[in-house]
Amino acid sequence: QSVLTQPPSVSAAPGQKVTISCSGSSSNIGNNYVSWYQQLPGTAPKLLIYDNNKRPSGIPDRFSGSKSGTSATLGITGLQTGDEADYYCGTWDSSLSAGFGGGTKLTVL
Amino acid sequence: QVQLVQSGAEVKKPGSSVKVSCKASGGTFSSYTISWVRQAPGQGLEWMGRIIPILGIANYAQKFQGRVTITADKSTSTAYMELSSLRSEDTAVYYCASPRTSPIAFDIWGQGTMVTVSS
Repeated sequence: QSVLTQPPSVSAAPGQKVTISCSGSSSNIGNNYVSWYQQLPGTAPKLLIYDNNKRPSGIPDRFSGSKSGTSATLGITGLQTGDEADYYCGTWDSSLSAGFGGGTKLTVL
Repeated sequence: QVQLVQSGAEVKKPGSSVKVSCKASGGTFSSYTISWVRQAPGQGLEWMGRIIPILGIANYAQKFQGRVTITADKSTSTAYMELSSLRSEDTAVYYCASPRTSPIAFDIWGQGTMVTVSS
């Protein structure tokens, strides 16, 4: 049972836009920043978004993040086949523990 | 640029313990937390706990309290995660991860260590 709730899968065509939701509670997302990670098969996760909507150096602006209340959203525009991966949201809670969503598998049709 | 390099794969018997290492190179070690995150086959990410090397203070996810111990050796820039009373459900890839850009986002990840628990 994951701390945060994500849809198991999303799909869209190349060039299109997709959004991935992440739902939490007042004890986690509601009072903390959200980060997003991309995990390609057989590799370690990679940070895509931190502090709700900021991109680390080297992450293209096709990736964006937002947060409202106890939910957050990752947006990916101009989908590419190389974007096929698992995506995870993450945050911290009031007990100083980190938590992740169950992951969303993105398929680029 | 800081890199985290983990120890190699392990195969353990149920009931035994495993200790995985995570060595930092190329940057400051003690000032940043090191977390341990595991991923069972085909499953999602699960945070186990973290340590602040400069203070030597660790906190753990409730699920692993009493079974996991995270330590750090500042002299060798190495963090360790020891998990005891292993069971088959502990079979997973174990990652160490550390924040740099933001205190609560994991920028840097080790390559992962596969731990297999099997009789």
